[in-house]
Amino acid sequence: AQKVTQAQTEISVVEKEDVTLDCVYETRDTTYYLFWYKQPPSGELVFLIRRNSFDEQNEISGRYSWNFQKSTSSFNFTITASQVVDSAVYFCALSEAETSYDKVIFGPGTSLSVIP
Amino acid sequence: GAVVSQHPSRVICKSGTSVKIECRSLDFQATTMFWYRQFPKQSLMLMATSNEGSKATYEQGVEKDKFLINHASLTLSTLTVTSAHPEDSSFYICSARDHGSLYEQYFGPGTRLTVT
Repeated sequence: AQKVTQAQTEISVVEKEDVTLDCVYETRDTTYYLFWYKQPPSGELVFLIRRNSFDEQNEISGRYSWNFQKSTSSFNFTITASQVVDSAVYFCALSEAETSYDKVIFGPGTSLSVIP
Repeated sequence: GAVVSQHPSRVICKSGTSVKIECRSLDFQATTMFWYRQFPKQSLMLMATSNEGSKATYEQGVEKDKFLINHASLTLSTLTVTSAHPEDSSFYICSARDHGSLYEQYFGPGTRLTVT
């Protein structure tokens, strides 16, 4: 069973629309970290956010915001007023205390296309 | 911030030959480095974990004799794909963990390997 699920394989939005990328994770650990990464066409992973399991506060960074809900094991990512430069593949990821945080488990990714 | 480099960024080799990929932590010491493989339109999968001065730990299904990993110093890990075949063509990404960090991994820009 996948530990990190990103149900949306591909999303297309028109520029300036808001878009939410879903992430559902599965773990038996009580201590873990969740991440979001952006992978533009160049291939290089861009770190966006890290959240530990004890911090359920939502976070906003510019046009980006994250909603962490342990009750539903979700860590969703919203881009407000999307721009063409947001077009990329976005990965949600999990690392667990059980593996000493060595193993970062990536979700399958969501490919976002922002159309001008 | 912490920077990880990879060399080369792209490599094309003939089937049956070996190719070496380097991963360097530029401004920190990395006792642990990780190698991931990403096939086109797929997610990143951890191949192996390398610890400085000791043998690498390979994930299930990864052939250790085919993917040789050496982590001879605190700033350098190498991945050698031996007797490469077209099915080894992939995007290889390394990450490094700062000596002082429990959970933070910094990713390199990736190496695109094409085996003809």
